[in-house]
Amino acid sequence: AQSVSQHNHHVILSEAASLELGCNYSYGGTVNLFWYVQYPGQHLQLLLKYFSGDPLVKGIKGFEAEFIKSKFSFNLRKPSVQWSDTAEYFCAVRKDYGQNFVFGPGTRLSVLP
Amino acid sequence: IAGITQAPTSQILAAGRRMTLRCTQDMRHNAMYWYRQDLGLGLRLIHYSNTAGTTGKGEVPDGYSVSRANTDDFPLTLASAVPSQTSVYFCASSAGRESYNEQFFGPGTRLTVL
Repeated sequence: AQSVSQHNHHVILSEAASLELGCNYSYGGTVNLFWYVQYPGQHLQLLLKYFSGDPLVKGIKGFEAEFIKSKFSFNLRKPSVQWSDTAEYFCAVRKDYGQNFVFGPGTRLSVLP
Repeated sequence: IAGITQAPTSQILAAGRRMTLRCTQDMRHNAMYWYRQDLGLGLRLIHYSNTAGTTGKGEVPDGYSVSRANTDDFPLTLASAVPSQTSVYFCASSAGRESYNEQFFGPGTRLTVL
């Protein structure tokens, strides 16, 4: 079965700390990869996506993610987090044309001021 | 630009009642989706529609039905609600079935079934 795993259920950091959230998927072949963020009480918003080209993808709000095909990973990073980054983060994979998205279970990030 | 609207914002419902969650998008997207979000489980796909007039079952379709009479609207119906359907429901859309198209999400409906 297709699956997406996220390494951490809940991450707690202090402001200015560096962030890395893990995401792994279980398909071979071509994939398209997404990170979404859900701020408290809000809907999901796209942070960044990868579909081809440079495996290092820059997103909004200083986030980036690196696609490592050999490791089936798409980890999200930010060099210095802010209190406003407190949110839930979801990794998602879409395999081929016409296939639905598969979301990971999410990682809750709490940034302490 | 409204994007995706959902109604109601929240609802408390007695078990056994019928309920329709509404979803409307103004982006002329072909594909639409319904997810439920539960703590620790992330988002699970209930039903989807690739284009007006077609629908398909997702990961957790039991107890839910959908229709897609036109491009803009994609209502989700619970024929006879049960407490396990207590959840937050998100509607989403994407421009097409090309795999690089991201999904856009509505604000969600918080449903409590007692």
